[in-house]
Order: sequence, then C-alpha cells, then structure tokens
Amino acid sequence: QVQLVQSGAEVKKPGASVKVSCKASGYTFTGYYMNWVRQAPGQGLEWLGIINPSGGSTTYAQKFQGRVTMTRDTSTSTVYMELSSLRSEDTAVYYCARENPHSDAFDIWGQGTMVTVSS
Amino acid sequence: QSALTQPASVSGSPGQSITISCTGTSSDVGGYNYVSWYQQHPGKAPKLMIYEVSNRPSGVSNRFSGSNSGNTASLTISGLQAEDESDYYCSSYTSSSTRVFGTGTKVTVL
Repeated sequence: QVQLVQSGAEVKKPGASVKVSCKASGYTFTGYYMNWVRQAPGQGLEWLGIINPSGGSTTYAQKFQGRVTMTRDTSTSTVYMELSSLRSEDTAVYYCARENPHSDAFDIWGQGTMVTVSS
Repeated sequence: QSALTQPASVSGSPGQSITISCTGTSSDVGGYNYVSWYQQHPGKAPKLMIYEVSNRPSGVSNRFSGSNSGNTASLTISGLQAEDESDYYCSSYTSSSTRVFGTGTKVTVL
C-alpha cells in the first residue's frame, strides 16, 4: 500500500542541524512532489517547502530560506529534510506529505518525526 | 506569506451543520482553485478531506463539502457526528508557488 515512513525522534542542541528522512513505497516515487510540514506543540501546521523527486528542484518557504535543504535519493525512494542552526522554536513534529501534482493537495502523510531542540 | 485566517473554534450539536471559513488573499485562496482541507485528530497526522475547493477523496463522507467565494473558502460539515470533533486546517497554493496553511479550527460536538 502507499505509505511514507519517517525516521525516528531526534534530540538536538541549539545551533546544531537535524536531517529527517521519509521513505516512500507503493507508488512511483518520481511521479509526485513531496512537501515538508511541521507542527510545534499545541500549534498549527506550518509549510516548510517542497521537492520534486523527479529532477530534485525545490521551493522553500521564505521563513526557512538559507536554513532548510531538501534532497532526494531516487535509488531508495527517500526524501530528506535538513534544518540547520536549530533553536528552541524549531521543536516540533515534522511531517512529509505527498502532493498530487494535479490537485496540489497533500494526499498521503508520514507518521511524523518529533525533533526536540534543547540545551 | 501569512497564514490563512480561520476561526479558532466552531461548535454544533449532533445532526446540525457547521461551516468553517478560511480567508486569504487574491494571491492564494482567491487566485487559484487549489484549496484543500485537512482533519487532524490529537497525536495523529492530518487527513485530506477536500481538494480543489470542493472535491472529496475516495472514502471521505459526503457530509463534508467545500466551496469558495472571492478570497474565502469554506468547509461545511452536515449531520455533525461525535467523530467529527477534531482540528481542521485549510491550505492553498500561492502565487509564489509556495503553499500556506490556515490557522486551524477546533470543532467541538456539543
């Protein structure tokens, strides 16, 4: 079945970087864009950016420009999101979400990865 | 890009209908038919309920419907049920080729 499986929880110190993975299965990896969305504790959803697994092109939210990098490995059907210069406000659950290129809707979501930034 | 504006909370009794609004600008909600809605239960990943303003994915109850007018999109839940108690978020494509979410609405079934 179609699913996205994310890497496990991370604890990082302020100033460090974190890299979260999202492995896709059950569909043609290069046929759908992948987004990253985060949710701080008790807060709403926030969009970080999108990657086209076919060519690797990316678009990032202006807020995260310069701090976020999204990459993909087509040989393993995996996308990665790396966030640098972490601060306490980056503590959140990070989700990958598949986007249907025809509807711009996030139809399949990963289970989420908790990233905690604490000294 | 500012978040789309949703009411913080909406409530209704079982069987009633409720509507959640999602207000943006002509650069997002008002400019494209790419508005989607998501349901999120506590501790769970969001679930797609409506895409392209008014389309339901397979498996989503027809009690959920969407519409838009100008810069405001709406999600209506008819025949409200206890299981509909959840958080709901809208999302839109934007003129910068980015995506933006709404502020979120907590639906309470009285």
